[in-house]
Amino acid sequence: DGGITQSPKYLFRKEGQNVTLSCEQNLNHDAMYWYRQDPGQGLRLIYYSQIVNDFQKGDIAEGYSVSREKKESFPLTVTSAQKNPTAFYLCASSAGTNYEQYFGPGTRLTVT
Amino acid sequence: GQSLEQPSEVTAVEGAIVQINCTYQTSGFYGLSWYQQHDGGAPTFLSYNALDGLEETGRFSSFLSRSDSYGYLLLQELQMKDSASYFCAVWGGKLIFGQGTELSVKP
Repeated sequence: DGGITQSPKYLFRKEGQNVTLSCEQNLNHDAMYWYRQDPGQGLRLIYYSQIVNDFQKGDIAEGYSVSREKKESFPLTVTSAQKNPTAFYLCASSAGTNYEQYFGPGTRLTVT
Repeated sequence: GQSLEQPSEVTAVEGAIVQINCTYQTSGFYGLSWYQQHDGGAPTFLSYNALDGLEETGRFSSFLSRSDSYGYLLLQELQMKDSASYFCAVWGGKLIFGQGTELSVKP
């Protein structure tokens, strides 16, 4: 079955630690995205990548970093510079840069 | 700047019709998307309007008026499983999401 996987579903970290969230897709999509969702809020774009080895900052990139070494994978690192990292993180992909995006199940990160 | 406005909550009964409105202010507008998200789950794509008018997909329809910077999602024959959050999102090369409307369907 084609889809997007994110792991783990829940992640707990201490303040000051970097943490990397995994996102893998087998849909053969070129574009991948990372969004952040806070309680009762919409999704905000962190980073996106339209092609391997290339990515662009979204609206709230500060304190985050990404890589796109393989078409299937787009990991997100939440660094210690991110002031409020506790949130629900959603990865998505699309066939080209597209309004129809397919989302993974998300990772709920809690930093204390 | 860019902004989208949609009601935070809507309640309706099973079998009824409900309309969720969305107004937007944005530059570089190509179209309006709608996504559904069940509690704690992954958002799923429902519809996209690039042109003015109504698009129908089964029980769900979506409308756009570009001149009014306004759109809505219409859900008919409501079912309990339609209880979820619904997000409008402007497409202008990337998606800008509204804050979502939580729909509660009562028996």
